[in-house]
Amino acid sequence: QKEVEQNSGPLSVPEGAIASLNCTYSDRGSQSFFWYRQYSGKSPELIMSIYSNGDKEDGRFTAQLNKASQYVSLLIRDSQPSDSATYLCAVNEEGGGADGLTFGKGTHLIIQP
Amino acid sequence: DTAVSQTPKYLVTQMGNDKSIKCEQNLGHDTMYWYKQDSKKFLKIMFSYNNKELIINETVPNRFSPKSPDKAHLNLHINSLELGDSAVYFCASSQAGGIVYNSPLHFGNGTRLTVT
Repeated sequence: QKEVEQNSGPLSVPEGAIASLNCTYSDRGSQSFFWYRQYSGKSPELIMSIYSNGDKEDGRFTAQLNKASQYVSLLIRDSQPSDSATYLCAVNEEGGGADGLTFGKGTHLIIQP
Repeated sequence: DTAVSQTPKYLVTQMGNDKSIKCEQNLGHDTMYWYKQDSKKFLKIMFSYNNKELIINETVPNRFSPKSPDKAHLNLHINSLELGDSAVYFCASSQAGGIVYNSPLHFGNGTRLTVT
């Protein structure tokens, strides 16, 4: 059974600080990793993708991947109240193709003004 | 020019009824999906279609029947609705398929189904 684990939170972070979100996955053959942000009552929107070990930065967001530890993380620098949302980690397994993504249950992030 | 659009946005119905949700994508993607998000916000895949062919059919009651008339459309018909079917249903599309695996999903706005 493929599993993607996240701490459900809520994770409370003061405005301007770094928010750190973590995710582990069970399928060692996983190839592609994504972070989605979902505001309440809205659909998930893609904010980061990462495919190889190391860090990938995009604006205030940094995704980190460690395939040996089966661990993905998302850092949000200079957190803003508008970053308050649920963050979903998603994984596409080896040979996934059209099999879709397996999602974690999400981490609820609250940025305190 | 919405990328993935689904209708209706809200659906309130009684137990035992039959309902349909429609989805269309204009991204030129080869693969479309239905995901269900329960009250605890857990997103779980139900079906995927690649070029009108059913690829994934997770453990879903056979009261749920997807139909893909062409690769830009994927509809979901639900028979004999039950209280436990209440959830948000998301349509999504991606370029994934065959050897392409690193393509993200693009979601529609969701259909909130409430069964009373």
